[in-house]
Amino acid sequence: NAGVTQTPKFRVLKTGQSMTLLCAQDMNHEYMYWYRQDPGMGLRLIHYSVGEGTTAKGEVPDGYNVSRLKKQNFLLGLESAAPSQTSVYFCASSPGQSRVWETQYFGPGTRLLVL
Amino acid sequence: AQSVAQPEDQVNVAEGNPLTVKCTYSVSGNPYLFWYVQYPNRGLQFLLKYITGDNLVKGSYGFEAEFNKSQTSFHLKKPSALVSDSALYFCAVRDGGTYKYIFGTGTRLKVLA
Repeated sequence: NAGVTQTPKFRVLKTGQSMTLLCAQDMNHEYMYWYRQDPGMGLRLIHYSVGEGTTAKGEVPDGYNVSRLKKQNFLLGLESAAPSQTSVYFCASSPGQSRVWETQYFGPGTRLLVL
Repeated sequence: AQSVAQPEDQVNVAEGNPLTVKCTYSVSGNPYLFWYVQYPNRGLQFLLKYITGDNLVKGSYGFEAEFNKSQTSFHLKKPSALVSDSALYFCAVRDGGTYKYIFGTGTRLKVLA
């Protein structure tokens, strides 16, 4: 199993450009999450999904959109990138059997620089 | 609201010495607590978790954590630190009322040879 994979690994954008980050998992997990990691701020939840076709806002959703058209994929979109969105983005998944003690499995991250 | 605090940005320890990385939490119900580790340019990896039962939880790579309900703490420990333990450590709590996990700001552990 590849686990959780993220595409691309690194990207440079100009302000105003758009892009989509792809997260894929091959563990048949129900729940998927997008986080951003910034120095001194830990991980902050952007959006999450508890199943195919469903999404919900996290802590810092502004400027991002998501879609979960297939169970194994969770896409994060930036419609008009801003320098404040320079960050490292992590995708995670968990089995989603309504057990609060479930652990999350993380992808390797996407480093995004917005100029 | 649930929250997690990691009061130390960085912890330095000599190789072979015991290490402690601190975490305190605030939850409204039963706490479900986790520790993750992040090595440079990598995603987070699960170390251990507390659900219920024994206050001392054992995890991967020789790490353990002590749950203390009265002090609302879940400190990560290891009896003898290795240089390879140098990494960024995150404490997290599951928000039982939702599907979310709340992470601390992280503590950078540096083990000196």
